[in-house]
Amino acid sequence: DAGVTQSPTHLIKTRGQHVTLRCSPISGHKSVSWYQQVLGQGPQFIFQYYEKEERGRGNFPDRFSARQFPNYSSELNVNALLLGDSALYLCASSLVVDRSAGEQFFGPGTRLTVL
Amino acid sequence: GENVEQHPSTLSVQEGDSAVIKCTYSDSASNYFPWYKQELGKGPQLIIDIRSNVGEKKDQRIAVTLNKTAKHFSLHITETQPEDSAVYFCAPGGSHAGKSTFGDGTTLTVKP
Repeated sequence: DAGVTQSPTHLIKTRGQHVTLRCSPISGHKSVSWYQQVLGQGPQFIFQYYEKEERGRGNFPDRFSARQFPNYSSELNVNALLLGDSALYLCASSLVVDRSAGEQFFGPGTRLTVL
Repeated sequence: GENVEQHPSTLSVQEGDSAVIKCTYSDSASNYFPWYKQELGKGPQLIIDIRSNVGEKKDQRIAVTLNKTAKHFSLHITETQPEDSAVYFCAPGGSHAGKSTFGDGTTLTVKP
């Protein structure tokens, strides 16, 4: 079985531009979460989507948005890029969303560099 | 929100020695306590997890212990090997599967 896949693997953009990152969850997983990982730090939660609905949002500005498609794949969009948006963007999928938290499976990430 | 602290931030051991990493958290509602291993250029991978109804879990050379009263849990790696060298993260959670608060990581170096 394929794991979580993300595309592209690397991306270079300039300040002010827009970027779209893509994620395909493990087959059968309906929940997708996005995390930002700045060098030297742990991943920070950005969004969670379950059954195409936003279920959680972290402390990120409105320049960040996401959506989930009927096939449970997801896109993360970032507008008006800033230098500080340079990071590894991780997607994680999980089977369910409920109060019994469970295992998340992470993709390899997309390395975004903003110049 | 959840405050998570990991100690130490770096750890260097000789091959064959044991390594222990501690994670403290603030949210008493947390009921899921995983440890992730992240190698260079890869996403985090779950290596062991524990739920709040047990105090310890073992899987070969790795174990996790939980003290819910004191709000901390620890990762124990015995008989360390060079391939254990990586960054380790704790991510206590509970309200929802996909909204984890990660610690800042512990860089473990195992010297051959």
